[in-house]
Amino acid sequence: KAGVTQTPRYLIKTRGQQVTLSCSPISGHRSVSWYQQTPGQGLQFLFEYFSETQRNKGNFPGRFSGRQFSNSRSEMNVSTLELGDSALYLCASSSQPDLKAGNTIYFGEGSWLTVV
Amino acid sequence: GQQVMQIPQYQHVQEGEDFTTYCNSSTTLSNIQWYKQRPGGHPVFLIQLVKSGEVKKQKRLTFQFGEAKKNSSLHITATQTTDVGTYFCAGINNAGNMLTFGGGTRLMVKP
Repeated sequence: KAGVTQTPRYLIKTRGQQVTLSCSPISGHRSVSWYQQTPGQGLQFLFEYFSETQRNKGNFPGRFSGRQFSNSRSEMNVSTLELGDSALYLCASSSQPDLKAGNTIYFGEGSWLTVV
Repeated sequence: GQQVMQIPQYQHVQEGEDFTTYCNSSTTLSNIQWYKQRPGGHPVFLIQLVKSGEVKKQKRLTFQFGEAKKNSSLHITATQTTDVGTYFCAGINNAGNMLTFGGGTRLMVKP
């Protein structure tokens, strides 16, 4: 079974541009969540989707948005990029919507975004 | 909101020594999960603890969940170079759809 696939793996953007990152969850997984990882702030929750619905959103500005498609694939978009958006963006998928029920989430390898 | 703190931030050990990382939450946790991230890699799920006072073992790794479900620890016995990486604890929100990660403990093992 293929793991969580994220594209692109590495990208460099200029301040003010926008970027779209893609995530294909493990086959059969319907919950997809996104996290930002930086050396200073650690791993921070961005948003979570289940069956095309955003169920939860982290404390990030409106420049960060996402969506999920009917095949469970997800994209996140960051508009008007700032230098501080440079980070590793991680996507994770889970087969069930409730992590408390003992469900595991599986992370992709991430997309390394550098804003110059 | 929920805050999860982890100490120490870094730990250097000689191969064969033991290692412990501690996790504390500002609120009572329903569950806690532990992850390992190798340098340049992505977080990999290790274990989930659910019950108050729960202790689980995976070979040389021992995980504990505090009686009040506000703290947890991971202990590695006789570290090996393959244990190198950053260990994160993460609390789960009530809705079960968000992880709040601790800052992580980066373990370095000198052979």
